Amino acid sequence: ETGVTQTPRHLVMGMTNKKSLKCEQHLGHNAMYWYKQSAKKPLELMFVYSLEERVENNSVPSRFSPECPNSSHLFLHLHTLQPEDSALYLCASSQHPGESPLHFGNGTRLTVT
Amino acid sequence: GEDVEQSLFLSVREGDSSVINCTYTDSSSTYLYWYKQEPGAGLQLLTYIFSNMDMKQDQRLTVLLNKKDKHLSLRIADTQTGDSAIYFCAESPNNAGNMLTFGGGTRLMVKP
Repeated sequence: ETGVTQTPRHLVMGMTNKKSLKCEQHLGHNAMYWYKQSAKKPLELMFVYSLEERVENNSVPSRFSPECPNSSHLFLHLHTLQPEDSALYLCASSQHPGESPLHFGNGTRLTVT
Repeated sequence: GEDVEQSLFLSVREGDSSVINCTYTDSSSTYLYWYKQEPGAGLQLLTYIFSNMDMKQDQRLTVLLNKKDKHLSLRIADTQTGDSAIYFCAESPNNAGNMLTFGGGTRLMVKP
């Protein structure tokens, strides 16, 4: 079983839908992350959680709402998205926020229509 | 803020060496990383180098760091078609713990 698992792999949603992305890590790590990967742009860090507490929020619009119920699970709740939010959303984990390296999941390819 | 730059594209023939270059601006970088992303997959850590090192070798991979010029390179010896992927350089500043800054990625194409 891979260390970081993301579901679904692909998601198509309309602008009025509400959906959630899920991430689960089986590595015993204490920190989890959401990254956004868009075409022609560098990877953008969205959120960082350490021991289920949010420690970083890089000016992400409120239509993205993270949730970390425990150190193994991370969600990204989506509502009223825009077409420009279409991207690959990558989850990652690390032992601690101050310790690298990051272990990435395979991502969720999101298309907003 | 920090900036990490990479060339967009590199094409080599199978069996040749590939050299992927990266420049960064933050002089307080602690660790510098190379990640590989294959189509449809997330990022896989290939190797990393601590800022007090000049070189690190791991099988076919050689990382060179020129801290004065803030230049990092990844050399892949005997490049194979399976090495075709996007390679991301990333750096972690001293004061930001694990908050990596990624480059835009270099797409490596290996021709048979």
